[in-house]
Amino acid sequence: EIVLTQSPGTLSLSPGERATLSCRASQSVSSSYLAWYQQKVGQAPRLLIYSAYSRATGIPDRFSGSGSGTDFTLTISRLEPEDFAVYYCQQYGSSRWTFGQGTKVEIK
Amino acid sequence: EVQLVESGGGLVQPGGSLRLSCAASGFTFSHYWMSWVRQAPGKGLEWVANIKEDGSEKYYVDSVEGRFTISRDNAKNSLYLQMNSLRAEDTAVYYCARGGRIAASWGQGTLVTVSS
Repeated sequence: EIVLTQSPGTLSLSPGERATLSCRASQSVSSSYLAWYQQKVGQAPRLLIYSAYSRATGIPDRFSGSGSGTDFTLTISRLEPEDFAVYYCQQYGSSRWTFGQGTKVEIK
Repeated sequence: EVQLVESGGGLVQPGGSLRLSCAASGFTFSHYWMSWVRQAPGKGLEWVANIKEDGSEKYYVDSVEGRFTISRDNAKNSLYLQMNSLRAEDTAVYYCARGGRIAASWGQGTLVTVSS
């Protein structure tokens, strides 16, 4: 099973700042099968990024994904008030999924 | 618009059973893999199971293998999760999701509480 480790656990930033979230895999992940989700309190998760760098429908261009192999990054170029939430990475392999433990982006 | 609506959650005693349902609309249900993902209170996301478009392939996380069964009825645009031998650690919000590789769309979830 591929284990995904996200860092940091919590990111304290102000609106307008840049957020950089990391997702590291215990073994190589196909870029085609790496996704990022956003979850706000009391809501279902929402797909942000798929195939490591492709934005899902309706996702603003301030969200971007990058990386390959075992190291992937989600970047939010300028934080808006609605971006403060928990973010999860997810990989698909051998017909099974695993999620990272999440990074909480909170208002500083 | 894609809509996924879960139902069937509730309070159940340890060792009991529950069947979750997910009603899908806004897309051609029979063309998509479907999945269940759960989230224990205050915890992260955990994939539970997924099922191929025609139901011919099913996969489970190790912790539910042999206790949970995923199924679908394409004529009714519905996804199911039969949960047997429930344990306290199965307590979670259960989400239905469209997709077999990624969760492109999610329902709002249904809460399952396993407690005596």
